[in-house]
Amino acid sequence: DIQMTQSPSSMSASLGDRVTITCRASQDIGNYLSWFQQKPGKSPRRMIYGATNLAAGVPSRFSGSRSGSDYSLTISSLESEDMAIYYCLQSIQYPPTFGGGTKLELK
Amino acid sequence: QVQLKESGPGLVQPSQTLSLTCTVSGLSLTSNSVSWIRQPPGKGLEWMGVIWSNGGTDYNSAIKSRLSISRDTSKSQVFLKMNSLQTEDTAMYFCARFGNYPPTTFDYWGQGVMVTVSS
Repeated sequence: DIQMTQSPSSMSASLGDRVTITCRASQDIGNYLSWFQQKPGKSPRRMIYGATNLAAGVPSRFSGSRSGSDYSLTISSLESEDMAIYYCLQSIQYPPTFGGGTKLELK
Repeated sequence: QVQLKESGPGLVQPSQTLSLTCTVSGLSLTSNSVSWIRQPPGKGLEWMGVIWSNGGTDYNSAIKSRLSISRDTSKSQVFLKMNSLQTEDTAMYFCARFGNYPPTTFDYWGQGVMVTVSS
């Protein structure tokens, strides 16, 4: 199975900060990387797909990028509604595998 | 619009069988695949298995021997059955659609159903 190593596992940031979360894949996954946001008691929400594509309805402060086997989710200017847990997912190969999650909290 | 909704018992006794239903609307199961994904309290997401648009299935090897996924296309329902439940199976269970166009991912999710395994 492909392992997705996500970092950091938690972080705190201030409103307006630029925040970056990273996932590294254990094998080549091309652009089959997506990012999900999950708030307490809710189901995950797709934010980014294909490594860099913004899902419909997602604010433009969110972006995705790739550098080799490293994939990043960036929030350009943190807002209070962005406090959540974020997960990456590789879907090029079954079983699809998630990163361990990053809990984003307000400093 | 596409919607998925899970249903099933909230409490299951250890060693018993879990049965869940995912009812979909706004899409056809004969042209879409649906996965089950679970999340133990305070932990991450685990993919369990998928039923493909052609009715074929794939399962997570860690639980393959206990898991069965099926569907009723006429009722737009996908079923999960997992036997020999243990307390470690306590989790929120989600169904999600796996998109049709590459690069595919889980684009629509149900609200989830909480299952507690306890006597």
